[in-house]
Amino acid sequence: DQQVKQNSPSLSVQEGRISILNCDYTNSMFDYFLWYKKYPAEGPTFLISISSIKDKNEDGRFTVFLNKSAKHLSLHIVPSQPGDSAVYFCAASKGEGYQKVTFGIGTKLQVIP
Amino acid sequence: NAGVTQTPKFQVLKTGQSMTLQCAQDMNHEYMSWYRQDPGMGLRLIHYSVGAGITDQGEVPNGYNVSRSTTEDFPLRLLSAAPSQTSVYFCASSTRDSGTGELFFGEGSRLTVL
Repeated sequence: DQQVKQNSPSLSVQEGRISILNCDYTNSMFDYFLWYKKYPAEGPTFLISISSIKDKNEDGRFTVFLNKSAKHLSLHIVPSQPGDSAVYFCAASKGEGYQKVTFGIGTKLQVIP
Repeated sequence: NAGVTQTPKFQVLKTGQSMTLQCAQDMNHEYMSWYRQDPGMGLRLIHYSVGAGITDQGEVPNGYNVSRSTTEDFPLRLLSAAPSQTSVYFCASSTRDSGTGELFFGEGSRLTVL
């Protein structure tokens, strides 16, 4: 039973445009959400996180939006760059991610120059 | 600045063999964990530790053992390898002091069980 769902396995976007990656969760106990980026043959790297007490968090070109009522979050990348091409994982935890983190299956983003 | 170091990077085992995946971190993080990544499954938590001497099971612990005798090291042991354990394994560490809840991952260990 997937508690964190990323329903789009892949996404292609033109360079300079906005990339929107979506994530849904089913466990209402989750209160902390994170996004990771992963390049082939490397470990995932942290991008951005958001607590359930907020509905938006921004860091440079990356913004995460949280809609608690819909149990939905999204990652916006503006503008998209070819170096953003990677697999993006949505993750959730109860508490600030220190211990048990549940990951989605990932969305492969391709940014076309 | 090494971060999280995993060894070996690649390993091929025969069914029934045992082995240990090593993980070490030099950031003095209190939390460490092991994940496996399989196609279509994302990253699944195997075992985790909140400090030296303390470990607990994650989502898919069967067939794996862990121990945490020091803050720095968190080895993952496969007692009797099975083809279903063919996967890429990631070790991660984290700290309450980060403020972001982020996990720091190693580069991964690719294991094939024949």
